[in-house]
Amino acid sequence: EAGVAQSPRYKIIEKRQSVAFWCNPISGHATLYWYQQILGQGPKLLIQFQNNGVVDDSQLPKDRFSAERLKGVDSTLKIQPAKLEDSAVYLCASSARDRAQETQYFGPGTRLLVL
Amino acid sequence: SQKIEQNSEALNIQEGKTATLTCNYTNYSPAYLQWYRQDPGRGPVFLLLIRENEKEKRKERLKVTFDTTLKQSLFHITASQPADSATYLCALGSGGGADGLTFGKGTHLIIQP
Repeated sequence: EAGVAQSPRYKIIEKRQSVAFWCNPISGHATLYWYQQILGQGPKLLIQFQNNGVVDDSQLPKDRFSAERLKGVDSTLKIQPAKLEDSAVYLCASSARDRAQETQYFGPGTRLLVL
Repeated sequence: SQKIEQNSEALNIQEGKTATLTCNYTNYSPAYLQWYRQDPGRGPVFLLLIRENEKEKRKERLKVTFDTTLKQSLFHITASQPADSATYLCALGSGGGADGLTFGKGTHLIIQP
């Protein structure tokens, strides 16, 4: 079974530029999450999708971050404009949403450096 | 506000010994708690889940306990090996529809041969 795919793996941009990250979850997983992991910290939830609807985006900085999950499969996370403090690893995760299994499967992440 | 505390400093353990990692939390009533392993440059990998009504879970050399009165979980690796060296993350889940995890900072475990 293929895991969660993310691209690109690395991205370097200058502040005020825009950037987009892509995630393809495990086939059949209805729930998709985006997390931000700053160096030395644990992952922080940004947004959760159930199919193509948003379940929780309370920690998403909506003035600069946006995310979508068209057709309930792939997802894109965008930052516009980027700030220095956005430098982090952006992790995508998916889960099957089976009530007996809340395990989340993480992708390798996209490492973003904002200069 | 919700707070999860894990030993922020590295934990050095001699090979063959039992490694014990601690996760304490405040201002939270989780439905379940999970432990993940994270290697450098990789995403977290699920290890164990324990629910609020469970005291202990085991999987091979791993054991996790959950004390909702103390608001603490202990994660044990018995017969530790150098390959167990990694960062271990504690994560709390509230259950229900919005079940994004709240993670601690993680503990960096080093198993020395």
